[in-house]
Amino acid sequence: DAGVTQSPTHLIKTRGQQVTLRCSPKSGHDTVSWYQQALGQGPQFIFQYYEEEERQRGNFPDRFSGHQFPNYSSELNVNALLLGDSALYLCASSLESGRKYFGPGTRLLVL
Amino acid sequence: GENVEQHPSTLSVQEGDSAVIKCTYSDSASNYFPWYKQELGKGPQLIIDIRSNVGEKKDQRIAVTLNKTAKHFSLHITETQPEDSAVYFCAASSGGGGADGLTFGKGTHLIIQP
Repeated sequence: DAGVTQSPTHLIKTRGQQVTLRCSPKSGHDTVSWYQQALGQGPQFIFQYYEEEERQRGNFPDRFSGHQFPNYSSELNVNALLLGDSALYLCASSLESGRKYFGPGTRLLVL
Repeated sequence: GENVEQHPSTLSVQEGDSAVIKCTYSDSASNYFPWYKQELGKGPQLIIDIRSNVGEKKDQRIAVTLNKTAKHFSLHITETQPEDSAVYFCAASSGGGGADGLTFGKGTHLIIQP
């Protein structure tokens, strides 16, 4: 049974660029949420997708956007990158009202 | 919004001793409280969770207690082993587990001394 997978594992971008991160949920899960984890901090909720719609959003600007596909996989897009966007980006999958399981994350470095 | 405080930030215990990590939350609507273990270079791993209709839950060496009145919950690890060394996060949600996003504490670095 495959767990949550994310790609790429690492990414280096420069300020002002745009980035797309990808997530495949655990088999059978239909809900995907994204979190940002700065170094030495707990993960912070960005948003959650269910049935291809954004259902809930945390305190993040509109530069952060996402998408969920019919196969439940998801993308996180960040526009106009800032140095402060450097972090580990985590994807979690669940059934609509079930436990959340995290992937290994994508480490983004903005120079 | 919800705010989760976690203490201590670092905890060092002798192998075989018990470890306790405590969290408080602010939103009385929160009803789901998971604990995650994160090892270096990996994503958080769910180790145990508790819902607000239960006061205590145990799974082998790990237990979680919840006091809804005081708005705090704790993780207890007994007979600690070297492989328990990691960063532990508590979290809270008002959606019953998957319906709402999780609010995390800042983490506790647990060090097991041989």
